[in-house]
Amino acid sequence: QSALTQPPSASGSPGQSVTISCTGTSSDVGGYNYVSWYQQHPGKAPKLMIHEVSKRPSGVPDRFSGSKSGNTASLTVSGLQAEDEADYYCCSYTGIKSYVFGTGTKVTVL
Amino acid sequence: EAQLVESGGGLVMPGESLRLSCAASGFTFTNAWMNWVRQAPGKGLEWVGRIQSKAHGGTTEYAAPVKGRFTISRDDSKSTLYLQMNSLKTEDTAMYYCTILSSGTFDPWGQGTLVTVSS
Repeated sequence: QSALTQPPSASGSPGQSVTISCTGTSSDVGGYNYVSWYQQHPGKAPKLMIHEVSKRPSGVPDRFSGSKSGNTASLTVSGLQAEDEADYYCCSYTGIKSYVFGTGTKVTVL
Repeated sequence: EAQLVESGGGLVMPGESLRLSCAASGFTFTNAWMNWVRQAPGKGLEWVGRIQSKAHGGTTEYAAPVKGRFTISRDDSKSTLYLQMNSLKTEDTAMYYCTILSSGTFDPWGQGTLVTVSS
C-alpha cells in the first residue's frame, strides 16, 4: 500500500489561508469517508484535527476545515496563525482492514 | 480524559526482539480498538497494526512490512496494549505510538516510545 501523496511544503502569511491536498486512489480516499488529518509539532505526538473527511473534533478551531473530491482530500487552514506551523498528515482507510497515511506536508507561517 | 503511555523502547541489535507496552486510562479499554503507528526519524507516519476489542473478536491486522514478525496483544484486566517485535531490522527504527481507533480515526495518541535497531 503506497502512501497517500501530499505536497512536501505549504506556506502562507499570518491571516492568509493554506490548502493541503492528499491524493490517493479509489481504493482508499475515493472509496471511503474515513479520511482524517493530523497535526504534528516537532517532538510531539500527532493530534487529530479533522475526521471523517470534514468533521472537526471539539477543541479544534473552526479555522480548520476538510473536504474531499474524488480521490483527493483537502485540509484548509484559514486565518493562519503562528501556532499552525507544523507537519500535517492525512490518513485513509484502505478497505482491506488497514490504513494508509500521507507523505506529510510542512506548513510554514511566513 | 483518555490517556495512553507507551514504554519499553530502547536500543537493540538486528535480529533481536523487543516488547512495547501501552498503559491506558480514562476510558473503557475493553471496548477500544487499539493500534500501533510508527514514525522513522525524520519520516512520515506508518500504520503498523491493530487489535479489535474482544467483543468484536479480538482479531489483529498488520501492515505488510511487519506481518509475521510483529504481534499485537492486549490484557484488558491491566488496560494494557502490547507490541511484540521479533527479528527486528534496522528499518524498524522509529518512534512507536499507540492510539485508539474509532470511526476510522486515530485519537488520542500516546507520547511514543523510541526503538533503535542498530549494530
